[in-house]
Amino acid sequence: DAGVIQSPRHEVTEMGQEVTLRCKPISGHNSLFWYRQTMMRGLELLIYFNNNVPIDDSGMPEDRFSAKMPNASFSTLKIQPSEPRDSAVYFCASSRVFYSPLHFGNGTRLTVT
Amino acid sequence: DAKTTQPPSMDCAEGRAANLPCNHSTISGNEYVYWYRQIHSQGPQYIIHGLKNNETNEMASLIITEDRKSSTLILPHATLRDTAVYYCTHFGNEKLTFGTGTRLTIIP
Repeated sequence: DAGVIQSPRHEVTEMGQEVTLRCKPISGHNSLFWYRQTMMRGLELLIYFNNNVPIDDSGMPEDRFSAKMPNASFSTLKIQPSEPRDSAVYFCASSRVFYSPLHFGNGTRLTVT
Repeated sequence: DAKTTQPPSMDCAEGRAANLPCNHSTISGNEYVYWYRQIHSQGPQYIIHGLKNNETNEMASLIITEDRKSSTLILPHATLRDTAVYYCTHFGNEKLTFGTGTRLTIIP
C-alpha cells in the first residue's frame, strides 16, 4: 500500500499563474478530501468527493479554486489565477468509505510570489 | 462543523503516560470521535477512533466519558517520536474539520 500520493511536493509560482495540484488516493478508497493548512487558519477543509462526485465545496475560498475527480484513482485541485495569499500546504486525504479514518498524503507546499 | 476544545500545549516526560483531553460537547449520538496527530511538516496521521466504549490499539488508548461529551487519548509510554500536534475531531454536519489541537512535547 503506497498510501496517498500527492504531486508535486513543492511548487513555487508567480502571482497570476495557474497551479495544478494532483492526488492519487489509496486504491479502493471511495472518499477523497482536499485540505489547506496555514499558520493563521490551521487545517481547512476545502472540498470532498464521494464515489468521484463532489459532495461539499463550501470550503473552497473563491471561484479561482476548482477541483475535479475524473476517476477513482485521480483528483486535481486547480488555482487560476494564483495569488500570494494562496501560499499554504495543501493536503489530500482518502478514506475507504465516507465515515472511516482518513489517510493523508504528505502534502504539496505551494508558494506564490 | 465539529466544535472541539483542547489545551493548546502539554509536556510529558519520556516513558510516562501522556493523557490528552478533548471536549466535544456538540457531538451527535451516532458520531465517532477521531484522533489524529501531525508531526512537523507531515500529513496528519490517524491514531484511533471510538463511539461509546473505550478503545485500544497498538498506538494508543481512547477513553470516552459516558455522556460522550469528552474523551482522553492516552499514549501509555511516550517516546520522543510522539512529539506532535494532536487533534480530536468528529464528523459535524457531514464534515471532518480540525481545530487547533494540542501541541504535545515529550521531554527527555
